[in-house]
Amino acid sequence: QMFLQESGPGLVRPSETPSLTCTVSGGSVRSYDHYWGWVRQSPGKGLEWIGSGFYSGSTYYNPSFRSRVSISVDTSRNKFSLELESVTAADTAVYFCVCGRSYGYGSSAVYYGLGFWGRGIRVVVSS
Amino acid sequence: EVVLTQSPATLSASPGERVTLSCRASQSVSNNIAWYQHKLGQAPSLLIFRASTRASGVPARFSGSASGTDFTLTINGLQSEDFAVYFCHQYDAWPLWTFGQGTKVDMK
Repeated sequence: QMFLQESGPGLVRPSETPSLTCTVSGGSVRSYDHYWGWVRQSPGKGLEWIGSGFYSGSTYYNPSFRSRVSISVDTSRNKFSLELESVTAADTAVYFCVCGRSYGYGSSAVYYGLGFWGRGIRVVVSS
Repeated sequence: EVVLTQSPATLSASPGERVTLSCRASQSVSNNIAWYQHKLGQAPSLLIFRASTRASGVPARFSGSASGTDFTLTINGLQSEDFAVYFCHQYDAWPLWTFGQGTKVDMK
């Protein structure tokens, strides 16, 4: 059974670039048939897919975030991270790290839903 | 962007009842639909993927079905631990996956 746990700042000032980390236990980020991603939930927009990373180093982002987001997978620490640039109040949300199984990468891959989620971390953007 | 519309927003039911939750996609998603259960303060959990395949360890009372762009999650014999929010997710339109707004199942 895999467990994911988010960590990072709960309060961020506008224009900053916060980094959120997801610690993986009971599994390995080196798994070639898994992907590691982030989802956020806010009252205004509901659940939003942010993007995902693979062990291979490939990353894919929701076009709505592409210019501001970076996801990286740290194989040495069995963690993966999200950076979101130049945040505004609209980025206030609960951020979930997620893991799913896949065969292949990107648009040609076969996906099997998001099998594991963290409990989420609330990030508030406020001055 | 594929819009997923879930109905109803809230469903009140009693233990033992059969409940059906709906998720309608704005365009074809080739049955690449998953359903999740979310209880407050807990991590969401995957119930169904590929519209009708139960995830490992999910009780048989949960089932999913599809008809075109209409998807249904059915709970046969609602248990007390099933009162939660349920949301659908399409993972067909890569990389712009989207989610429904959720249906809350509460006790009548």
